[in-house]
Amino acid sequence: DAGVIQSPRHEVTEMGQEVTLRCKPISGHNSLFWYRQTMMRGLELLIYFNNNVPIDDSGMPEDRFSAKMPNASFSTLKIQPSEPRDSAVYFCASSSTDRTSQETQYFGPGTRLLVL
Amino acid sequence: AQSVTQLDSHVSVSEGTPVLLRCNYSSSYSPSLFWYVQHPNKGLQLLLKYTSAATLVKGINGFEAEFKKSETSFHLTKPSAHMSDAAEYFCVVSDPGDTGRRALTFGSGTRLQVQP
Repeated sequence: DAGVIQSPRHEVTEMGQEVTLRCKPISGHNSLFWYRQTMMRGLELLIYFNNNVPIDDSGMPEDRFSAKMPNASFSTLKIQPSEPRDSAVYFCASSSTDRTSQETQYFGPGTRLLVL
Repeated sequence: AQSVTQLDSHVSVSEGTPVLLRCNYSSSYSPSLFWYVQHPNKGLQLLLKYTSAATLVKGINGFEAEFKKSETSFHLTKPSAHMSDAAEYFCVVSDPGDTGRRALTFGSGTRLQVQP
């Protein structure tokens, strides 16, 4: 299996621009998670989906952030407009909630975002 | 509510000596506990997990962790450190509680340095 795939791996943009991060979960996994990692706050859960439905978005910082999962194999995290304080590494993770794998989450390589 | 405390932000050992990374947790229910490792500029990789089976859990690369409910601890150990073990290590708890949420709560991380 290719694992969780994220694109782009690096993104540099200017303040005010729209940023779209993409994630392809592991085939067969039915839960998908978006995390943000910064030096100041560590790893934070932004939102998670189960069977393509958003279950908990309480970690989404503000209305500038939105996430979608139109099907089981694709999700996007959008920031519009972006701000310098959004600079971070964004991770996508997926898991299968069947009995054999419990809640083990498998992480993608991350997208390193820099907003100038 | 769940939380994780990693007691050391930095640990430095010499190659060939034992590694101990400390983790304490709090959880209202029966948690699942994980250790993840993150090498520089890489994603997170699962080292091992505890899910209420054996209290001594063996993971990849010679790491193991022991779940001690009485001490609410889940310390990570390795008998002999290797240079390639230098990385950031995260202790993680997953506690569905009464909402069935499957999100993870991450500790703040411990940076392991291995001296030649």
